[in-house]
Amino acid sequence: DTGVSQNPRHKITKRGQNVTFRCDPISEHNRLYWYRQTLGQGPEFLTYFQNEAQLEKSRLLSDRFSAERPKGSFSTLEIQRTEQGDSAMYLCASSLVSGRSYEQYFGPGTRLTVT
Amino acid sequence: EDQVTQSPEALRLQEGESSSLNCSYTVSGLRGLFWYRQDPGKGPEFLFTLYSAGEEKEKERLKATLTKKESFLHITAPKPEDSATYLCAVQGLGTDKLIFGTGTRLQVFP
Repeated sequence: DTGVSQNPRHKITKRGQNVTFRCDPISEHNRLYWYRQTLGQGPEFLTYFQNEAQLEKSRLLSDRFSAERPKGSFSTLEIQRTEQGDSAMYLCASSLVSGRSYEQYFGPGTRLTVT
Repeated sequence: EDQVTQSPEALRLQEGESSSLNCSYTVSGLRGLFWYRQDPGKGPEFLFTLYSAGEEKEKERLKATLTKKESFLHITAPKPEDSATYLCAVQGLGTDKLIFGTGTRLQVFP
């Protein structure tokens, strides 16, 4: 399978715990994106990287959230001191920006439940 | 502020009954408008990108069109396997982020 992969697929955690999610993009893609989706809503942008550089962060990304892409390949999203409001599907996407092409291809998501 | 509004929220069709989904948008400068399909519990699946007013793209029973203020996703003779949530998103100039609507939940009955 050469699509975007995310791990774990499901995570249940207690309020106050830290969690980390991993995203592996399509191999030749140079940009990687994180979104969050709650039930009945469309995905909301969190942040994105070009290679190792984090180019844009949403105001939604509080100080408890941090994302990295250390070698320009896979990325991690960490949430510290989780709150019940963090329960959502966390989606990763990747793209190969070239010419006029900006399509983003999404992974299956990591569903986080904070109890 | 960039914004996307999709209608209707939900649509129930009989198999073979054609219809259209609407996506209205406001964006300071449009780089592209994207359509995605999302099945329950899965990530969005890319369908189309439209870049300029008047552009049309087709894939099987789906056809997407774009004007300066809205986009339509036309579904011709739908089948039950077309049942899903269809998401519309816009991307403005100078940013990669996608602004999504809340989607149209389509159910096609045999």
